[in-house]
Amino acid sequence: ILNVEQSPQSLHVQEGDSTNFTCSFPSSNFYALHWYRWETAKSPEALFVMTLNGDEKKKGRISATLNTKEGYSYLYIKGSQPEDSATYLCASGNSGTYKYIFGTGTRLKVLA
Amino acid sequence: DGGITQSPKYLFRKEGQNVTLSCEQNLNHDAMYWYRQDPGQGLRLIYYSQIVNDFQKGDIAEGYSVSREKKESFPLTVTSAQKNPTAFYLCASSIDWTGYLDTQYFGPGTRLTVL
Repeated sequence: ILNVEQSPQSLHVQEGDSTNFTCSFPSSNFYALHWYRWETAKSPEALFVMTLNGDEKKKGRISATLNTKEGYSYLYIKGSQPEDSATYLCASGNSGTYKYIFGTGTRLKVLA
Repeated sequence: DGGITQSPKYLFRKEGQNVTLSCEQNLNHDAMYWYRQDPGQGLRLIYYSQIVNDFQKGDIAEGYSVSREKKESFPLTVTSAQKNPTAFYLCASSIDWTGYLDTQYFGPGTRLTVL
């Protein structure tokens, strides 16, 4: 089983701060990377799916970048708000496995 | 509203009993999945189904069974053979079985506790 790692495990930021966290995945046979946002007591929701090296996706104040050669993706949140508090999951798909491998998530708490 | 429902939200079971977790979707998705989450670990795939009447073992299928008799339903049975069944269980679906690019849509989860 291939490992997907996320860092940090958790972080607290003040409202208005910008923040970012990392998803590391095996670069060999890479096919796609997904980011999900999981609020407490709710279902995980899809944020982005990324496939191309150098890809950058944006949704409001949240953006993500992808480096498939070195095997990492960054998720950025600009001007964090309390409603951004959630666990952010990444999942990597590699050709030949037909399965996603999920990271353990980064738990973000935005303090008002 | 389209979505995935899981029931019950909390489930308690006595050791040695089988229990079935429900998962229903009205998204008309072909593929469905069951994951397990334990503290400090990522979601791990238990079983998946690409289409009705077909399902495949995931990474941790031992002690679990599934059925896919209808497109919208993918129940998971946790049998007494599962050694550590206490966990949070998530069901998901995706449009079809292209694997990598498909976004997965998740249910709210069931927390199973074995007493």
